[in-house]
Amino acid sequence: DAGITQSPRHKVTETGTPVTLRCHQTENHRYMYWYRQDPGHGLRLIHYSYGVKDTDKGEVSDGYSVSRSKTEDFLLTLESATSSQTSVYFCAISESGVGLAGRTDTQYFGPGTRLTVL
Amino acid sequence: QQQVKQSPQSLIVQKGGISIINCAYENTAFDYFPWYQQFPGKGPALLIAIRPDVSEKKEGRFTISFNKSAKQFSLHIMDSQPGDSATYFCAASNPGGSQGNLIFGKGTKLSVKP
Repeated sequence: DAGITQSPRHKVTETGTPVTLRCHQTENHRYMYWYRQDPGHGLRLIHYSYGVKDTDKGEVSDGYSVSRSKTEDFLLTLESATSSQTSVYFCAISESGVGLAGRTDTQYFGPGTRLTVL
Repeated sequence: QQQVKQSPQSLIVQKGGISIINCAYENTAFDYFPWYQQFPGKGPALLIAIRPDVSEKKEGRFTISFNKSAKQFSLHIMDSQPGDSATYFCAASNPGGSQGNLIFGKGTKLSVKP
């Protein structure tokens, strides 16, 4: 998994509680991403980071916030978890932005965190 | 216009057969098309990728065919093996959009029967 760890790997929580998921990389890659994966929806981008303290929203950012205080760590926070946020969350990294003209940098995915919100 | 439509949702192929998964897109600004393979309980992993300046790319038993005029691309798995059983995602990236904006198809679950 290209030097990417996610913690926790599994979590069960209750509606309304805050939840923080952590992604840690040892590759010193600039870009980090959070996706959620749901049956019938594929992978959808939540937020991404293009450097320390530099983040931007993805397709499904409502209800999520992120922080990146160090190159190696990217945190995803659900301020008040809802049942609709039950999902598998994947972190990914890439050396540069995917699809940059003339570049073919790969996004490498972590092992995922299965979150259940009751 | 930002969607990538993938078909079929599921596919059953006999060992030794050819598996074909298709994707279509609308946004002509997309210029990077990767395919990812995902085994149960694992994260997706890049399998093969193509840019629209070529019509075909082959890596071992895996081939991407790209039809720019039709805005379609497909993954062909030759001599399919039970170990190829996984979920496959196509994706597309728009270099003019947000850095890191990979749009994924909804996935195809491939089962290769021995």
